[in-house]
Amino acid sequence: NAGVTQTPKFQVLKTGQSMTLQCAQDMNHNSMYWYRQDPGMGLRLIYYSASEGTTDKGEVPNGYNVSRLNKREFSLRLESAAPSQTSVYFCASSENNGPYEQYFGPGTRLTVT
Amino acid sequence: EDQVTQSPEALRLQEGESSSLNCSYTVSGLRGLFWYRQDPGKGPEFLFTLYSAGEEKEKERLKATLTKKESFLHITAPKPEDSATYLCAVQAPSQKLVFGQGTRLTINP
Repeated sequence: NAGVTQTPKFQVLKTGQSMTLQCAQDMNHNSMYWYRQDPGMGLRLIYYSASEGTTDKGEVPNGYNVSRLNKREFSLRLESAAPSQTSVYFCASSENNGPYEQYFGPGTRLTVT
Repeated sequence: EDQVTQSPEALRLQEGESSSLNCSYTVSGLRGLFWYRQDPGKGPEFLFTLYSAGEEKEKERLKATLTKKESFLHITAPKPEDSATYLCAVQAPSQKLVFGQGTRLTINP
């Protein structure tokens, strides 16, 4: 039981390049989330998927797109990376969208130069 | 606007020296308050959920309490392995979690 897994662990991009961050969970959870964590800012929600087939914007969605591929997988895409997107990205999942604890992956450290 | 403020930003204790971390929140209609532990280079690890004022939860040396305006994470006789950043988050009727900036706790042997 791996919980929430994320790939890659580290990535360096040049401004304007694109990439997709992958996330998968094996807990049969319905809801999945993408956060970014920046020094002094705390964790901020980018996008979430309350259930398979649905996605919604969070607090900081600009510059990102998401795909809920199936119940297990939720990907985050940066179409044209910018230095302001340098951050640590975390995927999380929960049983349902509501007052349920969220379980986090190990994170992807992204640097955009 | 839903807000979470954690204090202090950093706390350094000697092994065995008990203390408390504070999480103050403003939210209309609290659905739940969550505490997480985060080690350097790792994702947050779930500790507790509190749903209503007066509720308490315990796990080993940690005890979380909740009032209508704040939550405390009490740490009793801490050990060096309790060193981590502790995050507080609240869930409002919007269903989204709002996180505080965390308290970085260091326990010296």
